[in-house]
Amino acid sequence: GAVVSQHPSRVICKSGTSVKIECRSLDFQATTMFWYRQFPKKSLMLMATSNEGSKATYEQGVEKDKFLINHASLTLSTLTVTSAHPEDSSFYICSARATGTGRGQETQYFGPGTRLLVL
Amino acid sequence: AQKITQTQPGMFVQEKEAVTLDCTYDTSDPSYGLFWYKQPSSGEMIFLIYQGSYDQQNATEGRYSLNFQKARKSANLVISASQLGDSAMYFCAMREVDSSYKLIFGSGTRLLVRP
Repeated sequence: GAVVSQHPSRVICKSGTSVKIECRSLDFQATTMFWYRQFPKKSLMLMATSNEGSKATYEQGVEKDKFLINHASLTLSTLTVTSAHPEDSSFYICSARATGTGRGQETQYFGPGTRLLVL
Repeated sequence: AQKITQTQPGMFVQEKEAVTLDCTYDTSDPSYGLFWYKQPSSGEMIFLIYQGSYDQQNATEGRYSLNFQKARKSANLVISASQLGDSAMYFCAMREVDSSYKLIFGSGTRLLVRP
């Protein structure tokens, strides 16, 4: 199957600093990537939809200025948690939707996730 | 509004036996897609199986099959011959039908395979 990578896999930072998380599709082009947040023992909550070359679409209740998303190319989207606080500590996971026709178009492939701990 | 419901927070199954994980959905749109993902303790989301609303046959992928009952709006995942490595969280998801292709996830079912 298609491979999506995330970097870093885990990060610990001080309160007030900014953290950038990268999501890359390694063997396919993805015009659309998605960023999710997952709290312990909970389901995935969609934060935003990232479209290559355009502004991200944020879900209701997600602060745009807090969670900056940049989708600079067909294989890379970044999520920057600005001025991180302890309540931002969570598991952040991205997914990429494969472009093209056929059944593969329907599938989203997920990255391995990034565990963020803000002290 | 579209909605996904997984009513089983936790399930046990004996190794080598089959298990069914329930998923019901609610949508008024005739075109939609249904997915199952596995999330082991490492956190990665592993795609298991996909069913399109217009697919005539139930999807199958190795030991995974999807029992798609459109009239009942259910899309249960059947895992045959359970293995210890199947112990994980399992999420059912539905793709929104607009151009965004967003996935809506259920609350998940934790499966524990007993040796």
